[in-house]
Amino acid sequence: ELKVEQNPLFLSMQEGKNYTIYCNYSTTSDRLYWYRQDPGKSLESLFVLLSNGAVKQEGRLMASLDTKARLSTLHITAAVHDLSATYFCAVDMSGSQGNLIFGKGTKLSVKP
Amino acid sequence: DAGVIQSPRHEVTEMGQEVTLRCKPISGHNSLFWYRQTMMRGLELLIYFNNNVPIDDSGMPEDRFSAKMPNASFSTLKIQPSEPRDSAVYFCASSFQQVLEQYFGPGTRLTVT
Repeated sequence: ELKVEQNPLFLSMQEGKNYTIYCNYSTTSDRLYWYRQDPGKSLESLFVLLSNGAVKQEGRLMASLDTKARLSTLHITAAVHDLSATYFCAVDMSGSQGNLIFGKGTKLSVKP
Repeated sequence: DAGVIQSPRHEVTEMGQEVTLRCKPISGHNSLFWYRQTMMRGLELLIYFNNNVPIDDSGMPEDRFSAKMPNASFSTLKIQPSEPRDSAVYFCASSFQQVLEQYFGPGTRLTVT
């Protein structure tokens, strides 16, 4: 059974600081997705990582994928309050073509 | 583009009643997914369709749940009879191909009393 574990599950950080969210998964996959969810809202796609070594950046967020280690990271640079949200990683079971398994999410709170 | 459209946005019903949730995917997308989100279980895939055909319904919790996609622009998720433990936010998502990013609708918040 594929398991997707995120850590930390809760993260409180100050504006201007850097931090990394980790996403580990338990079986082979070369497709990983990061989503953002604001309270009471839907999920917004942030990054799609489709191969080993993939790195993508958007603003203060950078995501990377290491399929050999079965690890993805979401790095936050110089956090701002607007980044406060819950971040989910999701892994596509290899060959399943669309069956995403989501982590439990990391609730990020950025304080002034 | 209007994005994925779901209706109703909120539904409150009594135990035993039938509930039908509706979804209109983004035009041109050929894959459609139904998810359920709860605090206890997180986000779970219930069923997904490719070209209107159900591909994997292993996430559907029980026979009380059924989903249909009669055409490329419409899908329904039905719960009959509903139970309080079905209370959750139900999301519909669509993608152009199964392996690419999924675009989520605003969700339907279901409360069964």
